[in-house]
Amino acid sequence: EVQLLESGGGLVQPGGSLRLSCAASGFTFSNYAMSWVRQAPGKGLEWVSTISASSGNTYFPGSVKGRFTISRDNSKNTLYLQMNSLTAEDTAVYFCACGLGTYAFDIWGQGTLVTVSS
Amino acid sequence: EIVLTQSPATLSLSPGERATLSCRASQSVTSGYLAWHQQKPGQAPRLLIYGASSRATGIPDRFSGSGSGTDFTLTISRLEPEDFAVYYCQQYGTSPPFTFGPGTKVEIK
Repeated sequence: EVQLLESGGGLVQPGGSLRLSCAASGFTFSNYAMSWVRQAPGKGLEWVSTISASSGNTYFPGSVKGRFTISRDNSKNTLYLQMNSLTAEDTAVYFCACGLGTYAFDIWGQGTLVTVSS
Repeated sequence: EIVLTQSPATLSLSPGERATLSCRASQSVTSGYLAWHQQKPGQAPRLLIYGASSRATGIPDRFSGSGSGTDFTLTISRLEPEDFAVYYCQQYGTSPPFTFGPGTKVEIK
């Protein structure tokens, strides 16, 4: 069964850091680009980052560029999101996602909640 | 960056009725790389439509997508109780950015 399982969320103080993980199973992880998408409480979906299959290319929107880093370990079938200089605006459920049958996101994890608060 | 606008924000309908959701892009979406996702409370999104009109695996044929360029539509031919949810359009492609629309909530009238 194809599955993505996020972990690493929790409560962090403003200005702090957190690293999220996404464990993939059921498909050849190293063949596919992977992404992070977040959803603030009661709000819509926001694309956060994408990394190519080989890790050669990474992409971020302006809202997180310079603060977030995306990486992957293809030997461990795991995707990471390193988040630094966190603010209350980063409070959200963070989903990992990928496109297996299409470039669209056809596989989603269940999400992990990040709360930035003092 | 392509900005997506969805209308209406909320659609109040009864089971069995037809739902028509609109997604408009600020510039032409390359190669029709437009997707629709469904999200229910407390759940992850689920891909319904990709390539503007292709149904994802396991999606019932009451869901259909159409459109090209800057104007796209998701149609649910007859609403089932499980279809009441929030629907997001998304533009994607071979490289980011991948932007989402603000969503349309389909609620029971």
